Amino acid sequence: QLQLQESGPGLVKPSETLALTCTVSGVSIRSSSYSWGWIRQPPGKGLEWIGTIYYGGGTYYNPSLKSRVTVSVDTSKNQFSLKLSSVTAADTAIYYCATPYCSTTSCRFDFWGPGTLVTVSS
Amino acid sequence: SSELTQDPAVSVALGQTVRITCQGDSLRNYYAIWYQQKPGQAPTLVIYDRNIRPSGIPDRFSGSGSGNTASLTITGAQAEDEADYYCNSRDSDGSHLLFGGGTTLTVL
Repeated sequence: QLQLQESGPGLVKPSETLALTCTVSGVSIRSSSYSWGWIRQPPGKGLEWIGTIYYGGGTYYNPSLKSRVTVSVDTSKNQFSLKLSSVTAADTAIYYCATPYCSTTSCRFDFWGPGTLVTVSS
Repeated sequence: SSELTQDPAVSVALGQTVRITCQGDSLRNYYAIWYQQKPGQAPTLVIYDRNIRPSGIPDRFSGSGSGNTASLTITGAQAEDEADYYCNSRDSDGSHLLFGGGTTLTVL
């Protein structure tokens, strides 16, 4: 069974770069059956898609975050990562990693990590 | 840019039927996906491709859609269905993803 676990600093200073890792277990991150994505949720608010990296390395990002976001895969560690630069308090959120399964007519997130709270504060 | 609109809150009496809706232009071309989120937990997929339930999701959950509107229906709502529900879709150009603002369901 595929499982995901986020890890990274819980506190980041304003203007710095938020860096999170998602460790994948139960499946090889090299598998052509899976893509990898990040979603966030500010405290008490709704979900926001951040970005997705597809098999083959293609990436798509939320247009509102695109200039600050990088999603990448580390096949040697069976992990994928999120980097968000120049953070502000508005980036305080629970960050989830998840597996998007996409077809021509939809894109769903089948598996989710438990989430990790990142607070941006000095 | 596209967006998905949901009513912020809906309530239903125990055992009754409730419909949660999601509106957006992208739904004319792409299926809606529905997630349930309980406090302190990650979202769980409950309906995909308009009306397919993943394994383990009770059959009281169903989905439908027409035009720019998708609906999640719970027939015979149970106390454990009290949660936030989010819709999700590709956006109109197909390359990005959208979430609705979420609907808080209260079971009375």
